[in-house]
Amino acid sequence: DVKVTQSSRYLVKRTGEKVFLECVQDMDHENMFWYRQDPGLGLRLIYFSYDVKMKEKGDIPEGYSVSREKKERFSLILESASTNQTSMYLCASSFRAGTYSPLHFGNGTRLTVT
Amino acid sequence: AQTVTQSQPEMSVQEAETVTLSCTYDTSESDYYLFWYKQPPSRQMILVIRQEAYKQQNATENRFSVNFQKAAKSFSLKISDSQLGDAAMYFCAYRSGRGAQKLVFGQGTRLTINP
Repeated sequence: DVKVTQSSRYLVKRTGEKVFLECVQDMDHENMFWYRQDPGLGLRLIYFSYDVKMKEKGDIPEGYSVSREKKERFSLILESASTNQTSMYLCASSFRAGTYSPLHFGNGTRLTVT
Repeated sequence: AQTVTQSQPEMSVQEAETVTLSCTYDTSESDYYLFWYKQPPSRQMILVIRQEAYKQQNATENRFSVNFQKAAKSFSLKISDSQLGDAAMYFCAYRSGRGAQKLVFGQGTRLTINP
């Protein structure tokens, strides 16, 4: 079974702190994604990556950056956390090849910025 | 840009009955995929069913089936013989058939099953 592991289930940070959300997958997937989930808005794509050291902006990249130094790990960085970044963050991964490859999700990190 | 709309924030159904969740989408593409994901309280997103746009036949997975109306850009999910374990948030999602493999999600529908 594919496993996508997010390092923290719950996280509480202060405004202005630098925050790292870590995601690791064990299936050698090329694609990795970071989504943000908010009530009434569904899931919105922050950043995604097709390969090591590659990254592309999603729909809401402002205030975030990412790092992919190794294929299995995709980090989401909040350079200076703000209260409007309080949310649930979901990481996902998939194979790049083929016409269809399902997304496999982690269990999410609920981040509270106070 | 593609958009996905779920107009029902909440739905409820009696156990063993049938419920239909609505989803519409907007795209100018002809090649794409549509999905329904389930998110139970554990937060783990689970793929329920998928549909390729080039296939006319509606996808079915056990008690779950879709009504795919390509011209109307509608993709509803029908759950038959509802069970307590079906209670969850349900998300409709779109993926382009070319280029980026990212998913575009709807707002979600919270489904409650009444015993």
